[in-house]
Amino acid sequence: DAGVTQSPTHLIKTRGQHVTLRCSPISGHKSVSWYQQVLGQGPQFIFQYYEKEERGRGNFPDRFSARQFPNYSSELNVNALLLGDSALYLCASSRIAGEVQYFGPGTRLTVT
Amino acid sequence: QKEVEQDPGPLSVPEGAIVSLNCTYSNSAFQYFMWYRQYSRKGPELLMYTYSSGNKEDGRFTAQVDKSSKYISLFIRDSQPSDSATYLCAMSEGGGNKLTFGTGTQLKVEL
Repeated sequence: DAGVTQSPTHLIKTRGQHVTLRCSPISGHKSVSWYQQVLGQGPQFIFQYYEKEERGRGNFPDRFSARQFPNYSSELNVNALLLGDSALYLCASSRIAGEVQYFGPGTRLTVT
Repeated sequence: QKEVEQDPGPLSVPEGAIVSLNCTYSNSAFQYFMWYRQYSRKGPELLMYTYSSGNKEDGRFTAQVDKSSKYISLFIRDSQPSDSATYLCAMSEGGGNKLTFGTGTQLKVEL
């Protein structure tokens, strides 16, 4: 079975622009979580979605938003990009909320 | 103070050595404990998943959790150059909900 997939792999944006990152969970997984990993740090929790509803939100500004679709794929949107948003954005899926999470390869976002 | 503390390393060991990686935490509500391995510029890969205190072994890897001391460890026996990666500890209050990670320990196993 395919693992968690994310697109695009790399992205370069300019300050002030917005970006949309996409994630497809492992087949049969209904929960998707998003994490931000800045170079040299561990991943930081941004959002969790389960059955298309937001189940948790980390300490991130309102510029960050997400949604989950009926097929359980998910999008992460970031508006008004700042230099500090440059990071590896990771998506993780689990069968249900509360089970072990499996990570995708990430999308590397560079803001210039 | 961070909720999860992890020595960032780098840690360099010879091939075949036993490696000990550790994390301490402050949140007594954490019940689920994980170790992930992350190769450079890749996503984290789940290595071990444990609930509450105790030991769990899987091949060359052993995870230990001591909730009374708020301390977890990962041991790697007979380390190989392919084990060279960053090892992240992670924990949560309820199963797979919001994971709180350490900063990661960079490990290099040398021939």
